[in-house]
Amino acid sequence: LAKTTQPISMDSYEGQEVNITCSHNNIATNDYITWYQQFPSQGPRFIIQGYKTKVTNEVASLFIPADRKSSTLSLPRVSLSDTAVYYCLVGALKAAGNKLTFGGGTRVLVKP
Amino acid sequence: EADIYQTPRYLVIGTGKKITLECSQTMGHDKMYWYQQDPGMELHLIHYSYGVNSTEKGDLSSESTVSRIRTEHFPLTLESARPSHTSQYLCASRGIGRVRDTIYFGEGSWLTVV
Repeated sequence: LAKTTQPISMDSYEGQEVNITCSHNNIATNDYITWYQQFPSQGPRFIIQGYKTKVTNEVASLFIPADRKSSTLSLPRVSLSDTAVYYCLVGALKAAGNKLTFGGGTRVLVKP
Repeated sequence: EADIYQTPRYLVIGTGKKITLECSQTMGHDKMYWYQQDPGMELHLIHYSYGVNSTEKGDLSSESTVSRIRTEHFPLTLESARPSHTSQYLCASRGIGRVRDTIYFGEGSWLTVV
């Protein structure tokens, strides 16, 4: 599993756009980039996944530059309920010896 | 949504008791994981399995043990609980869902040892 680096925390206000960048310099050719969201006292849940360029779903957008060494999760017009920890994971399902370790994530606090 | 279930959700037990946390998934996933997480802290991988009869220790040393006799079932056992085992335990499975590679988590089991 490729090592990832994310900011520890970010503060925002309701209605603003939140962008969280994850660095993954040693991403492999077969690796996908996946973001998870975790609310207090719950397990992480899938938000979005991408391989290159841009992916958008009903929750977020994921921007991946051509070199794929970083990715940016974009949360449009956040609300108080978007306060959570966001994890970036990089890896391929068939990667040998993949223990699936989460990093520290980014703690996002949305203020009124 | 994910079909992965953990029981019990909340448990308070005395020191020295044996406890088994149950985890079941109905998605047919081969890969399953147990994480330990204290409030506001990181997820720590304590056990994982690639399939039936395959179990490995994770990054965080744990006094718990696991078994994988059936694909859908991955229980975690503490033979003699101690207050230091008080934590949230999260079970997960991994497989190809609507997207290429997705991890599904259960709702967690909160264990308090008194």
